[in-house]
Amino acid sequence: DTGVSQNPRHKITKRGQNVTFRCDPISEHNRLYWYRQTLGQGPEFLTYFQNEAQLEKSRLLSDRFSAERPKGSFSTLEIQRTEQGDSAMYLCASSFGAGGATDTQYFGPGTRLTVL
Amino acid sequence: QQQVKQSPQSLIVQKGGISIINCAYENTAFDYFPWYQQFPGKGPALLIAIRPDVSEKKEGRFTISFNKSAKQFSLHIMDSQPGDSATYFCAASNNNDMRFGAGTRLTVKP
Repeated sequence: DTGVSQNPRHKITKRGQNVTFRCDPISEHNRLYWYRQTLGQGPEFLTYFQNEAQLEKSRLLSDRFSAERPKGSFSTLEIQRTEQGDSAMYLCASSFGAGGATDTQYFGPGTRLTVL
Repeated sequence: QQQVKQSPQSLIVQKGGISIINCAYENTAFDYFPWYQQFPGKGPALLIAIRPDVSEKKEGRFTISFNKSAKQFSLHIMDSQPGDSATYFCAASNNNDMRFGAGTRLTVKP
């Protein structure tokens, strides 16, 4: 068990460019989550997958954001036409669960995005 | 909408002392209350968690106290060590919709 991994760890981009982040969950975890964390704040929920199905999206996730989890394994989060306000740490978490019960989420190290 | 309120924002404790961080929540549907520890540049790491059917859970030096009627829960760190210096987040979750507090920056002085 190597834990949740995220790539890249850091990304600097210019305003208007597109960026894509990757998350590899703990193997056999069926649930995967994306969060955004700004300096001095707790993580804010963005979206959630159970296997390959995207079950929930936060209102924070504008049309410029899209997430996928093909084949229910790794996930990608793409931000199109980045804005300076997108600068944040993007965290991925995974868990194993069934039904409606809340299960323990394990976080990756995050991808820090800086939009110039 | 801030559904989980955490205090204090920062805390300084002497080595060997007790660190206490408090959280209050609004949504009575929350059924899982974890605490996460985060070091600079790292993702949050699960420290300890409780479900509302118990009032206290202890793991080593870490204890969660839970008051369902008051909708409050707290983290106690006994015998605090300099290595405990980090940011601590409480969270509350219902059906995997997890809401985090704003965090408490703990500094343990040697």
